[in-house]
Amino acid sequence: GAVVSQHPSWVICKSGTSVKIECRSLDFQATTMFWYRQFPKQSLMLMATSNEGSKATYEQGVEKDKFLINHASLTLSTLTVTSAHPEDSSFYICSATSRLDEQFFGPGTRLTVL
Amino acid sequence: GQQLNQSPQSMFIQEGEDVSMNCTSSSIFNTWLWYKQEPGEGPVLLIALYKAGELTSNGRLTAQFGITRKDSFLNISASIPSDVGIYFCAGNAGGTSYGKLTFGQGTILTVHP
Repeated sequence: GAVVSQHPSWVICKSGTSVKIECRSLDFQATTMFWYRQFPKQSLMLMATSNEGSKATYEQGVEKDKFLINHASLTLSTLTVTSAHPEDSSFYICSATSRLDEQFFGPGTRLTVL
Repeated sequence: GQQLNQSPQSMFIQEGEDVSMNCTSSSIFNTWLWYKQEPGEGPVLLIALYKAGELTSNGRLTAQFGITRKDSFLNISASIPSDVGIYFCAGNAGGTSYGKLTFGQGTILTVHP
């Protein structure tokens, strides 16, 4: 149980384009999903908290107009990186939870912006 | 903001040896979690701790929630090559930040056969 998937697993795009990443909880309903970014050899940094049916809460320093988050159902959240630039290249990981004291992570999405 | 100090940063050990890593915080946490991450993958939950003083095992892994609620350790006994990876501690402070995890910097574990 507690399986979280992400799609795509990797994506390469040109600078200036937008990229959408999906996060799905496969065997449970996730009231809350979290989006993280991880640079090489670094820890996970929380970008935003997403609750189903409401606006995401962004961490300080994360541009909400650049990283659009939609949590339309209890099993799906999407992160759209708008007008991507090379500095947005990173490993993006989502997590999902139905009880806030435990989070289950997706396998991550490697974004490379050329 | 809250910070977790995880040590050591890296460990190089021989197969069969025991491993110990720990995390400390300047503030109190209500939950401590230990994750393992392999290259190109998301973190996988190893052990979750919910009460101060709690000692929990998962196979060869043992973790404890410190009495002061400001620290936790993870032990791996009789290490094997597949234990290789990055181990992260994570804490949840509760209150207004309920649900949000703060991560340690990670411990890179290398096991030589």
